[in-house]
Amino acid sequence: QVQLQESGPGLVKPSETLSLTCDVSGESIRASTFYWGWIRQPPGKGLEWIGNIYFSGYTYYNPSLKTRVTVSVDTSNNQFSLKMTSMTAADTALYYCARCRDRWGNWCDPWGQGTLVTVSS
Amino acid sequence: QSALTQPPSASGSPGQSLTISCAGTRGDVGGYDYVSWYQQHPGKAPKLIIYEVTKRPSGVPNRFSGSKSGDTASLTVSGLQFEDEADYYCSSYAGSDVGVFGSGTKVTVL
Repeated sequence: QVQLQESGPGLVKPSETLSLTCDVSGESIRASTFYWGWIRQPPGKGLEWIGNIYFSGYTYYNPSLKTRVTVSVDTSNNQFSLKMTSMTAADTALYYCARCRDRWGNWCDPWGQGTLVTVSS
Repeated sequence: QSALTQPPSASGSPGQSLTISCAGTRGDVGGYDYVSWYQQHPGKAPKLIIYEVTKRPSGVPNRFSGSKSGDTASLTVSGLQFEDEADYYCSSYAGSDVGVFGSGTKVTVL
């Protein structure tokens, strides 16, 4: 079955850019009819949808993060990525990647295990 | 778009039924039949348990059911079990290819 695994730095300095990658196994992103998304969860808080991408490269973003976020796809390596600029302490969170049936991160399953990103100098 | 409103906590005894509400607006919950529910156990990733208001993914027990009335969606857990103790989040389409999550409800099984 499909599995997702996030990877990236656990610590980012304020004002720097976060880069995360999600490796997908068990299913080809290129052959899929699904969207691929990023969702985050600050420690002890709720979920926030960041953005989704289709294998063709079409992207859909949370308007509140849109100016800082870029989601891209690498079908040759069966992975997709998240870049978030101008990181602050408020961006400290567990970042999840997920397979979604929609463009807006509402119907997502399964999810990766998540990767904790801390923003601190 | 603001987060959908859920009660911070809910509790019930084993075997009882428990209902969690998810209040939105006509611009999200009330306007579309795209409400999902997720279950999240401590230290685990969220798991989809309801999509499109009432539908259950394969493998999800039929003790979990979803409904919607006006701008409020609800998740009902019938025959509450200790393993149902978790955080629950609703999610809705909010138009213009944007999704929004609920604030989350911590369910305790007494």
